[in-house]
Amino acid sequence: DADVTQTPRNRITKTGKRIMLECSQTKGHDRMYWYRQDPGLGLRLIYYSFDVKDINKGEISDGYSVSRQAQAKFSLSLESAIPNQTALYFCATSRRGAENHEQYFGPGTRLTVT
Amino acid sequence: DAKTTQPPSMDCAEGRAANLPCNHSTISGNEYVYWYRQIHSQGPQYIIHGLKNNETNEMASLIITEDRKSSTLILPHATLRDTAVYYCIAAGPNTGNQFYFGTGTSLTVIP
Repeated sequence: DADVTQTPRNRITKTGKRIMLECSQTKGHDRMYWYRQDPGLGLRLIYYSFDVKDINKGEISDGYSVSRQAQAKFSLSLESAIPNQTALYFCATSRRGAENHEQYFGPGTRLTVT
Repeated sequence: DAKTTQPPSMDCAEGRAANLPCNHSTISGNEYVYWYRQIHSQGPQYIIHGLKNNETNEMASLIITEDRKSSTLILPHATLRDTAVYYCIAAGPNTGNQFYFGTGTSLTVIP
């Protein structure tokens, strides 16, 4: 089984709809991240969480919210989806520690907002 | 976090070494250099990381210059499966190890 899973893998939704993307991990890591990737561009950080009670905004948090329901679960919500939120979304995890903040990525969720 | 600069694309003949450069001239003393790759639209895959010393693992070698302002990722015997976008990232504990991926280098391994 994959260590980092994302659901759904693909989603098409309409402008103005609320949508939630979910991420689960079995790696036992404390830290979790949400990124988006637009065509031809690198990943950009939306939100990150260092533990259940710690949520931080990333580079592009406007229009998004997150929930860290448990150590293993981190959800990303679009309260009112708009077409320019069409992108590939990745969840990632990493362990706590002073060294080696290697991030492990999920397979991605392809979101289309029409 | 230090920003990095990479060439947008490179080609490499199959079986030859692929040398991917990265400039990180504003890197801080406690920032690590990480390399990831992304095949098609899959989740990025960790390759290697280092602080000051050169590093080697089963996938690649990382050569960091003495002044730490640049580094080179070396894939010793490139295969067609190494065709991917390669990202060089400089990140450290002072800023929560946030990763800025940039646009990376698109490596094409040619048969």
